[in-house]
Order: sequence, then structure tokens, then C-alpha cells
Amino acid sequence: ETGVTQTPRHLVMGMTNKKSLKCEQHLGHNAMYWYKQSAKKPLELMFVYNFKEQTENNSVPSRFSPECPNSSHLFLHLHTLQPEDSALYLCASSPQWADFTDTQYFGPGTRLTVL
Amino acid sequence: AQTVTQSQPEMSVQEAETVTLSCTYDTSESDYYLFWYKQPPSRQMILVIRQEAYKQQNATENRFSVNFQKAAKSFSLKISDSQLGDAAMYFCAYKGRGNEKLTFGTGTRLTIIP
Repeated sequence: ETGVTQTPRHLVMGMTNKKSLKCEQHLGHNAMYWYKQSAKKPLELMFVYNFKEQTENNSVPSRFSPECPNSSHLFLHLHTLQPEDSALYLCASSPQWADFTDTQYFGPGTRLTVL
Repeated sequence: AQTVTQSQPEMSVQEAETVTLSCTYDTSESDYYLFWYKQPPSRQMILVIRQEAYKQQNATENRFSVNFQKAAKSFSLKISDSQLGDAAMYFCAYKGRGNEKLTFGTGTRLTIIP
């Protein structure tokens, strides 16, 4: 379970705060993903990076800003969030995007509460 | 668009018994993968088992096996000899060739009764 790590595990922030979520993968993968998990809803894919390049942005509001400095690290910068953004944010990685046969591996998530 | 439906929000099973979790999906593609992921209370999502649509033989991983009915678009997960550590949310997911996104169901919460 240490292949994909996320910090912090819990985060409480006000609507005017700026914070960042961090994800690191130790699997030698080239694709990394951010998902949002809300209760009773399917996981929502937010962003995809492949070889450090963003390949997918699923109409995510600009208050979420991803950054991928290298294939092992992925950040999600948060600013002026809304209470409805409270959720579990999951990071995942896979060998590469657009490889049909690949499996995604997930981190433990960051539980975000926006007050 | 592909959809994945898990019609059982919650299930429970007696320890050592067998339980089957249901999953149906909708797709017009012929080549795809199906997955079952497990998310224990610690929240790390773990791959349990996966099945390629072109393989007729049902996948098996120790106590976990699937019943893949391609024509019926059904992909159920059977857990044999249930153990306390099997308690978790179980998510069914789909990935089609040419669309690399994973499509998830809403999950089934499995409780193991000692």
C-alpha cells in the first residue's frame, strides 16, 4: 500500500485559504490522476497527466489547479474553495495514459473539509 | 457513454460464508476491461481482480472470483470464505479501448458479521 502516497491525509480549510495536496508514486509510472470521491457518487476523474503533460481536464473549476513537476509527483493547489468541494481526493498512477491494458493504482486519499 | 451500475448499496455476510456483489454495465464497445476495486475503511483503493472482455474464462484471485456474462453485460464478484478483512466498499469499474478513462459504479458497502 505504499506505492502511491498522499499528504496530508486530512485537511480543513476556510473558503479564503490556499492549500495544496501532494501525491507521490514510487512505482515508476508515467501517468498520474486526480479523482474526487463524494458520498453515494461514482468517482469523478478531474485531471490526468502523462509524462508530465496534462492530457485531461474534465471541466474542473479553476479554483483547482494541478501541477506535475515530474512523473513521480503530482500536486493539487486549492484556493477559494466552496463547501461543496468537501470530499475525499484520490490520486492514482498507471504505467501510462492511453494504454488500454494498464491498471491504475490508488493512494489513500486526502479527506478535505471546506468550512 | 458507458455507465456502471451497482444496485446493492450495502450487503452483509456471515464470516466464512460466500457473498456475491452485483455489477452491470452499458457499452457499445466489444473490447474492454472490467475491474473490481476494494476500499477498506483506511481508504486506500486496492485492485481485487480484473477481466478482459475477450477472455471467456472467468478471472479468479484466491477467494475472489467473477462471473462475467458478456451478453448480459453483467460482472459480479464472488467472495468465498468471507473474512473480517474483507469488510470494505467495493467498486466495479469499466475501461474501454479507445477511451482510457475508468468509469466507476457507486459502490457496495460490504459488512462481515463475526
